[in-house]
Amino acid sequence: AQTVTQSQPEMSVQEAETVTLSCTYDTSESDYYLFWYKQPPSRQMILVIRQEAYKQQNATENRFSVNFQKAAKSFSLKISDSQLGDAAMYFCAYRRGDDYKLSFGAGTTVTVRA
Amino acid sequence: SQTIHQWPATLVQPVGSPLSLECTVEGTSNPNLYWYRQAAGRGLQLLFYSVGIGQISSEVPQNLSASRPQDRQFILSSKKLLLSDSGFYLCAWSVRLVGGNEQFFGPGTRLTVL
Repeated sequence: AQTVTQSQPEMSVQEAETVTLSCTYDTSESDYYLFWYKQPPSRQMILVIRQEAYKQQNATENRFSVNFQKAAKSFSLKISDSQLGDAAMYFCAYRRGDDYKLSFGAGTTVTVRA
Repeated sequence: SQTIHQWPATLVQPVGSPLSLECTVEGTSNPNLYWYRQAAGRGLQLLFYSVGIGQISSEVPQNLSASRPQDRQFILSSKKLLLSDSGFYLCAWSVRLVGGNEQFFGPGTRLTVL
């Protein structure tokens, strides 16, 4: 079974600064997808960014970018120019290419200081 | 556009009582459907998924069951609730294709078993 590990239970960042969330995963597959989801206090899960394992280029979505290190099985999320609305719990998730199921990490709570 | 609904939003039930949580999806056909549970401060655990009407796969042994009576309706049930069933229940859907299709989550149901 695939495991996803988020080693930082909590992270704090000053508004307008940058924070990086770590995620590592364990798999023997070559075809898979990685995701970062955001869960604000409303508890609604929102997709932040997606990375295909076969792509070498790191995905970016506005202020959100990832550092995908396939050999190290690492998938970190960088939030630049942090805003108060970025405060949430962030989950890293893995899905095998030919499967439907997502495996989630335990999450990292991000606090943004004004 | 596609939308996903869950109800009720919150529920308080006594131990031993039955449970029925409903999830419906609009704006898409033949979706994959999923039920997740999130314990307080924890990640998401996949409980059930369905690739079609009447087709249910269970991921973990438990006293919960799921049914899919219609293409876009997914129901989570229990005959007798346990204290350990308390948590936040999320329904999700995805398109029925392999590839980088992400899962889209509903607003969730907070269940408290007393």
